[in-house]
Amino acid sequence: AQTVTQSQPEMSVQEAETVTLSCTYDTSESDYYLFWYKQPPSRQMILVIRQEAYKQQNATENRFSVNFQKAAKSFSLKISDSQLGDAAMYFCALFIQGAQKLVFGQGTRLTINP
Amino acid sequence: GAGVSQSPSNKVTEKGKDVELRCDPISGHTALYWYRQSLGQGLEFLIYFQGNSAPDKSGLPSDRFSAERTGGSVSTLTIQRTQQEDSAVYLCASSLGSSIGTQYFGPGTRLTVL
Repeated sequence: AQTVTQSQPEMSVQEAETVTLSCTYDTSESDYYLFWYKQPPSRQMILVIRQEAYKQQNATENRFSVNFQKAAKSFSLKISDSQLGDAAMYFCALFIQGAQKLVFGQGTRLTINP
Repeated sequence: GAGVSQSPSNKVTEKGKDVELRCDPISGHTALYWYRQSLGQGLEFLIYFQGNSAPDKSGLPSDRFSAERTGGSVSTLTIQRTQQEDSAVYLCASSLGSSIGTQYFGPGTRLTVL
């Protein structure tokens, strides 16, 4: 079975600072993708970043980047220059080719302090 | 449409009633997914449709839950004889294909069973 673990239920950061959200996962499959989704109070789940397991290079999207450690099965999200609009629940998710569903972590609630 | 749409946004029903939740995926997306988000269980996969293939119903929690997808587009999730434990946010997502991985979510339907 595949599992995703987010060990930080809540995190807070000062505006303009950098914060890192942790995620570990477990799978015996070799062909998979990892995602970070953001869910603001509006409830809409928004894709933040995606990483293919076969790629060694860490994905980057503007202020968002990941640290993908395949051997350690770790997939952390770094948010640089935090903005008030980054406040949300962040979910780490695993997609296994062939299983056709996302497996989510429990989420981390991120608060941005002005 | 530009994104995944879901209706209604909120639904309040009485225990024992049937409810129907609707999802309209992104145009051209062949894969459609339903997830449930509840306080106790986090985000759970319910059901997956890919084109005209038989759906993967492995996540449906009981036989009170069913879903259909007409014409490879709009999907309806039906919950019969609702129970209080069915109260949750029901999220729909779509993707270009089942192997693509990236799923785009709708705003969800918040179901409250009194």
